[in-house]
Amino acid sequence: GESVGLHLPTLSVQEGDNSIINCAYSNSASDYFIWYKQESGKGPQFIIDIRSNMDKRQGQRVTVLLNKTVKHLSLQIAATQPGDSAVYFCAENDFNKFYFGSGTKLNVKP
Amino acid sequence: DAGITQSPRHKVTETGTPVTLRCHQTENHRYMYWYRQDPGHGLRLIHYSYGVKDTDKGEVSDGYSVSRSKTEDFLLTLESATSSQTSVYFCATRDREESPLHFGNGTRLTVT
Repeated sequence: GESVGLHLPTLSVQEGDNSIINCAYSNSASDYFIWYKQESGKGPQFIIDIRSNMDKRQGQRVTVLLNKTVKHLSLQIAATQPGDSAVYFCAENDFNKFYFGSGTKLNVKP
Repeated sequence: DAGITQSPRHKVTETGTPVTLRCHQTENHRYMYWYRQDPGHGLRLIHYSYGVKDTDKGEVSDGYSVSRSKTEDFLLTLESATSSQTSVYFCATRDREESPLHFGNGTRLTVT
């Protein structure tokens, strides 16, 4: 996973708009990818996953896109709600190990 | 999530003292992991277990040891705590390959 600076990048969106959060991964051998949501004081919570033989997967209000050519992952959240405010990060899986990005803070304005 | 309980939730200890953090799961998951989370570094793997008495090192294993004598328990020990080990520690489990990790709510450890 990538490493970013001390301050998390922040995405601010209006309630009801769609959000897109991006992630670059580093290991070409990674074959399974996950998006997590983390609220303050809590552990990361699973949102959606995708295997390397897919390029898109949809869940309830969320879609994950995988571009293996450029090693890029994105999470789309439809009709963003105040309860979606949190830190989001991606994880890549290589055999038994998972590597995490540092995350993006999503701020939803009412 | 996945019935994971971490204890203690908060601990303050002095440099040089031993510390053990406990992770207990009720889902009978095969794999268990210990991560630390620090600003600017995200989640970094300390150690993981792929079965009872089967463990392996992660990317930041120096200064830490683990034990797994039962499926449900995974212990993380800091033999002699240092200030650089001040962090939030998360335990995670998963039941099989190509399945997501499920996390506990963390232990905040402060080493003074």
